[in-house]
Amino acid sequence: AAGVIQSPRHLIKEKRETATLKCYPIPRHDTVYWYQQGPGQDPQFLISFYEKMQSDKGSIPDRFSAQQFSDYHSELNMSSLELGDSALYFCASSSVVGLGEETQYFGPGTRLLVL
Amino acid sequence: GIQVEQSPPDLILQEGANSTLRCNFSDSVNNLQWFHQNPWGQLINLFYIPSGTKQNGRLSATTVATERYSLLYISSSQTTDSGVYFCAVEIGYGQNFVFGPGTRLSVLP
Repeated sequence: AAGVIQSPRHLIKEKRETATLKCYPIPRHDTVYWYQQGPGQDPQFLISFYEKMQSDKGSIPDRFSAQQFSDYHSELNMSSLELGDSALYFCASSSVVGLGEETQYFGPGTRLLVL
Repeated sequence: GIQVEQSPPDLILQEGANSTLRCNFSDSVNNLQWFHQNPWGQLINLFYIPSGTKQNGRLSATTVATERYSLLYISSSQTTDSGVYFCAVEIGYGQNFVFGPGTRLSVLP
């Protein structure tokens, strides 16, 4: 079965650079969530989109922005990167309509290292 | 906001032993899921279990929604069970997860 796809899987950036993370949800899923997991921490919710509109916002810094496109994929744009942005970034998708269980499926994550 | 607690924070087992992991949450939830994060960082969905009991091989889970807790049972543990187990709750339909701090499990050969 198709899963959530994230790219790139690994990314190394310098301080003050920008980064773009991409997420391709499971087909027919209409909701995308972004989470950030720092070293030794539990995942923290950043932002979510439903039908291309922002649906909820968590602890996302102002330096970050995100959007969901017409094909339902989502991109997380991160500017003026700081050392503390080094983390594992997960994307998850779900279907509000309900294709069975109401559950979020997580992608493999993008590991970002800021030097 | 909702608080999610997990216990124990760390657990060391000998291969073949059984264990119970607990998740307490402070408010009513729409959804609860258990995840296993392997040493490579991948989050594996174990159970979607807002209430009731489910079993999958050596793993089973029970959620008592009225008492706001969930239990994950691991029987005959194997070294590949090592990693961090997260409980995550969703307070509303289609809303984000709030994760617990996790239980770090180490299974020794």
